[in-house]
Amino acid sequence: NAGVTQTPKFRVLKTGQSMTLLCAQDMNHEYMYWYRQDPGMGLRLIHYSVGEGTTAKGEVPDGYNVSRLKKQNFLLGLESAAPSQTSVYFCASSYSTDSGGARETQYFGPGTRLLVL
Amino acid sequence: QKEVEQDPGPLSVPEGAIVSLNCTYSNSAFQYFMWYRQYSRKGPELLMYTYSSGNKEDGRFTAQVDKSSKYISLFIRDSQPSDSATYLCAMSGNTGNQFYFGTGTSLTVIP
Repeated sequence: NAGVTQTPKFRVLKTGQSMTLLCAQDMNHEYMYWYRQDPGMGLRLIHYSVGEGTTAKGEVPDGYNVSRLKKQNFLLGLESAAPSQTSVYFCASSYSTDSGGARETQYFGPGTRLLVL
Repeated sequence: QKEVEQDPGPLSVPEGAIVSLNCTYSNSAFQYFMWYRQYSRKGPELLMYTYSSGNKEDGRFTAQVDKSSKYISLFIRDSQPSDSATYLCAMSGNTGNQFYFGTGTSLTVIP
C-alpha cells in the first residue's frame, strides 16, 4: 500500500515550457487535490476532483489544468510555465462522507519541487 | 482578509516545555478543524481533527476549538526534539469539498 505518490520529485523548467505532474493513490479515495506551497503563503488549493471525470477550480487555478481520467490518478498540467509557478506541489486524497462531502483526513504525497527559470 | 490566520513563528522551546500553537479564522461556516504536522521536505500528515467546538486529547497532544471566538489551539505537552516540525491548521465546512490551511508555525524543540 503505497498511499499517495507523486512523479517527478524535482524538475527544472525554462519559462514557456510545459509539463505534467502525476499523482497516484491506491486507497480508492474519491477526492483528490492539488496544492502549491510557498513560503509565507501556506498551502493553497489549485484544483480538486470529487470523482473520476470531474474537476473543479480551487483558490489559485490560473495557469494550471487538471484531468482525472482514472479514479486513482490526478494530473496537473502547466501549459506555459512561468517563474511565478516555482513552488512545491502537493497532491492529496481523501474519502468522501455519506453526505457527499470530503472526509476531514487528507493523505498527502511527498511533493514535487518545481523550479521555473 | 485570509480565511485562516496562523503565526508563522519560528517558535523555539526547550525539551519538556508545553507548546501552544494557535489559529484564527473568519468563516463561521467552518465545522471541521484539523492540525497537520509537516517535517522538512515531506508532505503534511494529519495529527488531529475536531468537529465543532470542544477539546480533544491524544497522548501528548490536545486540540481546542472555540467557535465563539473563531480560535483554535494545539497544545503539546512534554515536547520532544522529534516534535520539531511545521504545524499547519486546516478547516472546512460541514459539506465542503475544500480545506483552508494556515501558513504553518515552525517549531524547534531544543534537547
